[in-house]
Amino acid sequence: SQKIEQNSEALNIQEGKTATLTCNYTNYSPAYLQWYRQDPGRGPVFLLLIRENEKEKRKERLKVTFDTTLKQSLFHITASQPADSATYLCALGSDSGTYKYIFGTGTRLKVLA
Amino acid sequence: KAGVTQTPRYLIKTRGQQVTLSCSPISGHRSVSWYQQTPGQGLQFLFEYFSETQRNKGNFPGRFSGRQFSNSRSEMNVSTLELGDSALYLCASSRASGRETQYFGPGTRLLVL
Repeated sequence: SQKIEQNSEALNIQEGKTATLTCNYTNYSPAYLQWYRQDPGRGPVFLLLIRENEKEKRKERLKVTFDTTLKQSLFHITASQPADSATYLCALGSDSGTYKYIFGTGTRLKVLA
Repeated sequence: KAGVTQTPRYLIKTRGQQVTLSCSPISGHRSVSWYQQTPGQGLQFLFEYFSETQRNKGNFPGRFSGRQFSNSRSEMNVSTLELGDSALYLCASSRASGRETQYFGPGTRLLVL
C-alpha cells in the first residue's frame, strides 16, 4: 500500500545543534518533494522544493536531500534556534495521476534553549 | 501582495447540516486546492481547481464538493455533516497547476456537534 512516513512525531534538540528530519515513502514515484513548516493554528508555510533529478537543495540554514532509490528525503536545520520550533511536513508531488500532493503527518520539532 | 484568505475562520454546525467555506487566492493565482487536516489523519487532499475546472480529486465521499469562480475564488461545500468532519479545512493557491509552490491560508476550523 502507499505510505508516507515522517520519522517521529516529536523531536527535541538543543539550541545550536543540527536537527535532521526524515521523510520515507513507499509505492509512490513523486516528481518532486516539498517541505513545509506549520505553526499551531496556522496554515503550512512552504520552505523548499526538490525535484526528482536533484540530490540536494539549500536555503540559508536549511538543507534538503532527496534519494529516489532509498525513497527518502532528509531535512536539516543547522544552528537550530528556539524560533525553529514548529511542525514540519513533507509532501510528495505528482505531475500526473490522481493525486496532487500527499502529505506526511509531520514531525513536531522543539528546540531547547 | 495579500495572502490567501479564508472565511469564516471558525464554524460550529450540527450533524446533518451543510456548510460552505470560502477561499480567496493570492492575486494572479489560478489554482486552488483544498485540504482537510485532523490530528489522526494529518493533511489530506480534497480537490484542486484550476481555471474553474476540477483538475484532481482526493478520496473523499461525494458529500464534499467544490467550485471555482472566474475570479479564481473557490468555495467548498460539505453536505449532511458528520461528527468526523470536524477538522481544519485549508485552502492553498498557486500560480498554475503542476510543480508550483502552494501558499496556504489560515484555515477554517469546523466543529460538528
